[in-house]
Amino acid sequence: ETVLTQSPGTLSLSPGERATLFCRASQSVRGGYLAWYQQKHGQPPRLLIYNAASRGADVPDRFSGGGSGTEFTLTINRLEPDDFAVYYCQQYGALPWTFGRGTKVEIK
Amino acid sequence: EVQLVESGGDLVQPGGSLRLSCAASGFNFRTSWMSWVRQIPGKGLEWVARIKEDGSEKYYLDSVEGRFIISKDNVKNSLYLYMNSLRVEDTALYYCARGGSWFLDWGQGTLVSVS
Repeated sequence: ETVLTQSPGTLSLSPGERATLFCRASQSVRGGYLAWYQQKHGQPPRLLIYNAASRGADVPDRFSGGGSGTEFTLTINRLEPDDFAVYYCQQYGALPWTFGRGTKVEIK
Repeated sequence: EVQLVESGGDLVQPGGSLRLSCAASGFNFRTSWMSWVRQIPGKGLEWVARIKEDGSEKYYLDSVEGRFIISKDNVKNSLYLYMNSLRVEDTALYYCARGGSWFLDWGQGTLVSVS
């Protein structure tokens, strides 16, 4: 199975700053089939990015995804208070689909 | 508006069975792949199973293969997960999700506790 390692585990930033989150795969993710989700406490995950770089419906353009192969990034420009949450990456290039363990973006 | 409403979670003993349901509305359920994803409270996410639009293809996480069955009723707009031979490690919040690869929409989840 493809293991996804997210880093850092926690990112402490201030509103207005840029966040860069990393997701490394144990093997190349076929087709760049990688998604990113945001999860707030007590809520289900929300799709942000699919196919590594395509934004989901109603996702602000402050969120952008990139990467290929085994290295992927999620960038959040100009952090807003509502962006402080946990972010997960997920690959769907090879069964079983797998998720990373998450990066928590917290207010500094 | 897309709505996914799960039900059926409960406290069950090891070896027991449960049926989870997910009522879907606000999108074309008949033409949608659907999935179940679980989350141990306070922990990460784990994909469990997915089913093709017409139910003709089903895929499972290895650890649930042979114990869980995913099914879809396109008349009732409902997704199901039949869970047998439950284990302590199956304890989690189970989400119904729209999509078979990435997950566009999620329900609020239903809690399964095996103890």
